[in-house]
Amino acid sequence: KAGVTQTPRYLIKTRGQQVTLSCSPISGHRSVSWYQQTPGQGLQFLFEYFSETQRNKGNFPGRFSGRQFSNSRSEMNVSTLELGDSALYLCASSLQEIHEQYFGPGTRLTVT
Amino acid sequence: AQSVAQPEDQVNVAEGNPLTVKCTYSVSGNPYLFWYVQYPNRGLQFLLKYITGDNLVKGSYGFEAEFNKSQTSFHLKKPSALVSDSALYFCAVRDIAGTASKLTFGTGTRLQVTL
Repeated sequence: KAGVTQTPRYLIKTRGQQVTLSCSPISGHRSVSWYQQTPGQGLQFLFEYFSETQRNKGNFPGRFSGRQFSNSRSEMNVSTLELGDSALYLCASSLQEIHEQYFGPGTRLTVT
Repeated sequence: AQSVAQPEDQVNVAEGNPLTVKCTYSVSGNPYLFWYVQYPNRGLQFLLKYITGDNLVKGSYGFEAEFNKSQTSFHLKKPSALVSDSALYFCAVRDIAGTASKLTFGTGTRLQVTL
């Protein structure tokens, strides 16, 4: 069974631009979560989706948004990028929210 | 609010020796507990979980963890460390009492195994 895939793997953007990251969960998994990982802040929870509904949202500004499609694929969008948004963005999927999550390789976003 | 603490930023152990990576948690209800490992430039890999039942859970790569409700701990252990175990380890907790609770991760512990 294929794992969680994330595209693109690397991204360089300029301050003020916006970016969309994509995540394809493991087949059959209906829950998708997003995390931001930085050396200083560690793993920070962004959102969790289940069957196209946002079930949880972390403490991030409104510039961070996401959605889940009917095939469980998910996207997250960051508008008006800031230097501090540079991070590894990780997507994880699970059968349901209470089960263990399986992580993708991440998208490394660099904002210059 | 739920939280996880990993009190050690780094743990150093010689190959062949037993290792322990500590984790304590705080939830209002009963916890779901998880351990993940992250190798350089990789995503997190699931190691093991505690949901209910036996307090000693066994996971991948010879790792195990012991759930201790009275001490609110879920320490990760391995009887004999390998150099290849060197990585960043994360403990995580979800409160099952709240259906909308999120998975909360600790700050991570770097395990360094040397020859």
